[in-house]
Amino acid sequence: SAVISQKPSRDICQRGTSLTIQCQVDSQVTMMFWYRQQPGQSLTLIATANQGSEATYESGFVIDKFPISRPNLTFSTLTVSNMSPEDSSIYLCSVGPSLTKNIQYFGAGTRLSVL
Amino acid sequence: EDQVTQSPEALRLQEGESSSLNCSYTVSGLRGLFWYRQDPGKGPEFLFTLYSAGEEKEKERLKATLTKKESFLHITAPKPEDSATYLCAVQQSAGNKLTFGGGTRVLVKP
Repeated sequence: SAVISQKPSRDICQRGTSLTIQCQVDSQVTMMFWYRQQPGQSLTLIATANQGSEATYESGFVIDKFPISRPNLTFSTLTVSNMSPEDSSIYLCSVGPSLTKNIQYFGAGTRLSVL
Repeated sequence: EDQVTQSPEALRLQEGESSSLNCSYTVSGLRGLFWYRQDPGKGPEFLFTLYSAGEEKEKERLKATLTKKESFLHITAPKPEDSATYLCAVQQSAGNKLTFGGGTRVLVKP
C-alpha cells in the first residue's frame, strides 16, 4: 500500500487567510484526490488531480477557492483560500487506483479550524 | 446522481455480540463497492472491495457481502479494538471517483 504524508496535520487559522496543505506519496501515482470531511460527516470529493493536467473539480467546489497543484507524480498541494469558519474541516489526500490494484489509499488528514 | 446510505448511524455492542451494518446504494453502473474503517484522528483504512452481486470477502472478524442494491458488513464476535467508524463507498463504472455514505460508528464495550 502507498504511504501518504500530509502537512500540516492540523492548523488554526484566521478568517480571510489562506492555507496550503501538502500531500507527499512514497511512490509514483497517476491519480490523486482531495476530500473534505466536515465535523461528524462523511467524505466529499473536492477534486481529482492528475499530473500534467488541470484538476477536475466536483460540483460545489471551484478553483478560486481550492486551487490545486500537481507538479509531479508524488506530490500535490491543496490551498484553502480566503477562509471562513465554514471551511473548518478535515482535508484528506487520497491516491490510487493503480493499474494492478483498484484501491484508494488515504492520508491521515489535515484538521483545519478557522476562527 | 450516486447515493449511498448507511444504517444504523451508530451501534453499541457488547464484546462478542455479532451484528451487521447496512450500506444501500444507487449508482449508474457499479464498478466497485468499498468498505473502509476510520479511527478517530486518522484517515480511512481500506478493508474490502466487492465487484459483483453474490461476492463475499472476509478479514478476521469482518465479512462483507454484496447484492444488487446493498452491501452488508458483518462483525462476528467483535472485540473492543473493532470500535471505529465504518464507511461504505461506491465507484462508478465510468471513472474512479468514490461516493461515500455517512458511516456507521461502532462502539464495542468489554
